[in-house]
Amino acid sequence: TQLLEQSPQFLSIQEGENLTVYCNSSSVFSSLQWYRQEPGEGPVLLVTVVTGGEVKKLKRLTFQFGDARKDSSLHITAAQPGDTGLYLCAGSAGNNRKLIWGLGTSLAVNP
Amino acid sequence: DAGITQSPRHKVTETGTPVTLRCHQTENHRYMYWYRQDPGHGLRLIHYSYGVKDTDKGEVSDGYSVSRSKTEDFLLTLESATSSQTSVYFCAIRESSGGPYNEQFFGPGTRLTVL
Repeated sequence: TQLLEQSPQFLSIQEGENLTVYCNSSSVFSSLQWYRQEPGEGPVLLVTVVTGGEVKKLKRLTFQFGDARKDSSLHITAAQPGDTGLYLCAGSAGNNRKLIWGLGTSLAVNP
Repeated sequence: DAGITQSPRHKVTETGTPVTLRCHQTENHRYMYWYRQDPGHGLRLIHYSYGVKDTDKGEVSDGYSVSRSKTEDFLLTLESATSSQTSVYFCAIRESSGGPYNEQFFGPGTRLTVL
């Protein structure tokens, strides 16, 4: 069974701090995605990484896919209250019809 | 905006009653998904569809059935609702133009309470 483990589960920081969220697996994925979910809404896709070692930047967010395509990280620089939410990683493998989901990291950025 | 709507947005029902949730999309995507989201369990796949009348089970399909008689609508039915099915239900589509990557876009969710 393929699993994606996210850490930390909860994170509460002050505005302006940096943070990193991790998404780890023992399985290889053909692609990995990060989503952000705000309370009362559905998850929203942030980025897809597909190549081992790939780094993508989205403003203050930096996403990296591990060289072996088994893990990924999300780094936020100078966090802002608007970054508050649940961050989910999801991996695609096999016939690519289904995603494997991590349980998420709940981030609170305090003003 | 992937043009996904879910109805109803909120529902309270009693144990043993049938419940149907509807997901509607406007952009002719082939793949549609039903998830439930619960604290401590994350997003769990119930059923998905890869075309009209083509469906398959997810990891938590017991107690649920689905139907897709036309491309734009994917229905989720709880035949006899139980309290354990109290949850937030999300519908998602797979972006057809997204290439080989299963990039999904979600509806706003339905909050279901079974008393």
